[in-house]
Amino acid sequence: GQNIDQPTEMTATEGAIVQINCTYQTSGFNGLFWYQQHAGEAPTFLSYNVLDGLEEKGRFSSFLSRSKGYSYLLLKELQMKDSASYLCAVMDSNYQLIWGAGTKLIIKP
Amino acid sequence: GAVVSQHPSWVICKSGTSVKIECRSLDFQATTMFWYRQFPKQSLMLMATSNEGSKATYEQGVEKDKFLINHASLTLSTLTVTSAHPEDSSFYICSARDSEASRHTEAFFGQGTRLTVV
Repeated sequence: GQNIDQPTEMTATEGAIVQINCTYQTSGFNGLFWYQQHAGEAPTFLSYNVLDGLEEKGRFSSFLSRSKGYSYLLLKELQMKDSASYLCAVMDSNYQLIWGAGTKLIIKP
Repeated sequence: GAVVSQHPSWVICKSGTSVKIECRSLDFQATTMFWYRQFPKQSLMLMATSNEGSKATYEQGVEKDKFLINHASLTLSTLTVTSAHPEDSSFYICSARDSEASRHTEAFFGQGTRLTVV
């Protein structure tokens, strides 16, 4: 079956760096997405990786290793507003998005 | 980025009644839209894929007669929860991808609808 694993919850300090990992096993691969979701709101797009390597976008970076079925989202200079759930999603061979359960990130002052 | 508008944002209804949720792509055409349900502290669960001009494709375990989907145009899909019961209370979210864009583009989400059945 298809499976995406990411930690349930992480805690970090304001101003610090945090890395959220995601491992996946899917039928085919057409890219991996990271979304941010604040409580009670819809997800918002953060990044997309389809080739191996690191994609940097401001304070957020996303890394992909297709051979390892692994990705991570790196958040730098953490701000209180970064407290949210971070969802990893893989697009499978049918171009269907398979969602991880999400990682709740708690930022402490 | 592209905008998907979902209405209403929240609704409270009595058990046994029906509720319609609309999902519109405002500045792009979407041949396909997706309907998700999300229970508290859980991930998004795909309910069905809405296809313009044809029948929706439902995921296993989702009752097609209870969750009616109509995708009448390239910019509008509706989800009707029929004979709603308290266990249908959830956060319903639609998403769409631009039909004209590459298949590798991100999905855009509506604001979500918080349904509470009392």
